Amino acid sequence: QVQLQESGPGLVKPSGTLSLTCAVSGASISSSNWWSWVRQPPGKGLEWIGEIYHSGSPNYNPSLKSRVTISVDKSKNQFSLNLTSVTAADTAVYYCARLSGGRLHFDYWGQGTLVTVSS
Amino acid sequence: EIVLTQSPGTLSLSPGERATLSCRASQSLSSNYLAWYQQKPGQAPRLLIYGASSRATGISDRFSGSGSGTDFTLTISRLEPEDFAVYYCQQYGGSPPTFGQGTKLEIK
Repeated sequence: QVQLQESGPGLVKPSGTLSLTCAVSGASISSSNWWSWVRQPPGKGLEWIGEIYHSGSPNYNPSLKSRVTISVDKSKNQFSLNLTSVTAADTAVYYCARLSGGRLHFDYWGQGTLVTVSS
Repeated sequence: EIVLTQSPGTLSLSPGERATLSCRASQSLSSNYLAWYQQKPGQAPRLLIYGASSRATGISDRFSGSGSGTDFTLTISRLEPEDFAVYYCQQYGGSPPTFGQGTKLEIK
């Protein structure tokens, strides 16, 4: 059974950097899947942040591209998200998710982690 | 960017009734690229339907998807208490992948 688990600080100061890690179990991050981050502000809808393949070729949402870095650590079977210069608008539940083969839909999701941006 | 517009925003129905949720795309999509998710409070989204009409593993046959081009539909044939949740459509026919704003299915 594929499982994803997010971890990282739940509170980040304004102008700081949000850093999260997604640990993958039950599947190899070197498989033929892309791995994604999706976020959801409280009470709002879902926004795709970006994706990465095990070879390290990331793609980002243009709306966040200047602030986002996604990387992969094959030795630990995990991938990570860095979001710089955060503001209160970045407060959200952050999910990691696996894209299906063919990169069409998100078939496995982590439970999500709430990150609050506040001083 | 492909915009997905879901309607209605909120749907109030009773258990046992049939629910019909709509998702309209701003440009034509291959059916392969349209999926539906269910999200309950405090939980991650769960994949229900992919390829517009294929049920994900373990999903009840009360859930069905249809549509093509720009108009897609999720139908829940006989509502059970556990079906009351928020439903999102999602596309990856164009980058970035996008989600609809959601339809909240509430108990009448």
